[in-house]
Amino acid sequence: QKEVEQNSGPLSVPEGAIASLNCTYSDRGSQSFFWYRQYSGKSPELIMSIYSNGDKEDGRFTAQLNKASQYVSLLIRDSQPSDSATYLCAVNIGDMRFGAGTRLTVKP
Amino acid sequence: KAGVTQTPRYLIKTRGQQVTLSCSPISGHRSVSWYQQTPGQGLQFLFEYFSETQRNKGNFPGRFSGRQFSNSRSEMNVSTLELGDSALYLCASSLMGTGPNSPLHFGNGTRLTVT
Repeated sequence: QKEVEQNSGPLSVPEGAIASLNCTYSDRGSQSFFWYRQYSGKSPELIMSIYSNGDKEDGRFTAQLNKASQYVSLLIRDSQPSDSATYLCAVNIGDMRFGAGTRLTVKP
Repeated sequence: KAGVTQTPRYLIKTRGQQVTLSCSPISGHRSVSWYQQTPGQGLQFLFEYFSETQRNKGNFPGRFSGRQFSNSRSEMNVSTLELGDSALYLCASSLMGTGPNSPLHFGNGTRLTVT
């Protein structure tokens, strides 16, 4: 079992819709979780971090964490074409491990 | 504040050669992590250095090595290059290491091509 798993996609949503990205992890001791966005040809950039069970909102982005289910998600509301990128889930297991990423396309 | 700086941006090497990549972290950051990114494998953790000590190591052969200097700058070395080493190598720094509440900040990467 991989340490961090994500659906590779591609995920396609229309402009203005909600995009939902999911991630599961294997290490029950993990304490901190991150979402990164990576545009084609660029390096990953941090979008959000979450450490406690529940929801954390930042603008159009909401991260959700359920440690009992070992599940992290990212919701993007009012999706824009500029949100088209690969989204990487990262879990701190002592060092930072990344999922394979989900490619999101937002169609105008 | 300047971001993470990686040099060189692009590198072309021949099988069997060795290569050294350099990374300067964000000022004040003491932890530097290295990742290999390929289309098939995604971001794979190589190693993490904190205060000049290797703290964690991923599942890569001994041909991959690194070090960190007293000013937190880090270098990564790959010896006896293989075609499969062609990848984007990303360096990331963080303030206190990859502990809780300590996100990574990535450099622009070094694109290595082995022919």
